[in-house]
Amino acid sequence: ETAVFQTPNYHVTQVGNEVSFNCKQTLGHDTMYWYKQDSKKLLKIMFSYNNKQLIVNETVPRRFSPQSSDKAHLNLRIKSVEPEDSAVYLCASSRTGGYAEQFFGPGTRLTVL
Amino acid sequence: GDSVTQKQGQVTLSEDDFLFINCTYSTTTYPTLLWYVQYLGQGPQLLLKVTTANNKGISRGFEATYDKGTTSFHLQKASVQESDSAVYFCALVDQDMGYKLTFGTGTSLLVDP
Repeated sequence: ETAVFQTPNYHVTQVGNEVSFNCKQTLGHDTMYWYKQDSKKLLKIMFSYNNKQLIVNETVPRRFSPQSSDKAHLNLRIKSVEPEDSAVYLCASSRTGGYAEQFFGPGTRLTVL
Repeated sequence: GDSVTQKQGQVTLSEDDFLFINCTYSTTTYPTLLWYVQYLGQGPQLLLKVTTANNKGISRGFEATYDKGTTSFHLQKASVQESDSAVYFCALVDQDMGYKLTFGTGTSLLVDP
């Protein structure tokens, strides 16, 4: 099956903990993205990666960092979570070059207590 | 910078009703405009795309027409079904920012059987 896969589906943690979310795509794309979707469904891009290089980095807190081992994987690490980090984190991928359709994973829902 | 406005936060219809979701945009470039649909528990998926070259997109019974004069990109469907219940996002491709997507705030559609 070709798609974008994310793990875990849900994660509940305490303020100050470190968390890491995984994303893998089997679509053969070479650009991947992380989006944050808040409780009001608002979608904001956080990062995008192309050939292991960060090409778009919105103004996100430094505690967030993307990690890529190859073009099929882009993980997201949050060093010390805050309550405002509670959201759904969506991973997406696309081809590179001009506008290309972005394919999204199902998301990871983070709850920070 | 680019922006997208969806004023309707929630729409409730009955099956076979006509759907109209309003979207306006602001950009300094020739726009590529998208509608994404997000079903419960899933990531967004592309519903249709419109550019200045084709002016209209049609997919799965949904239709959107780009109007440069009013800078609008409304989504329509003649007869909705319960399975159309989802959140619909209008989005703009920012060609000056690495083709990143700027999403509207989303319109939640609930179709009663």
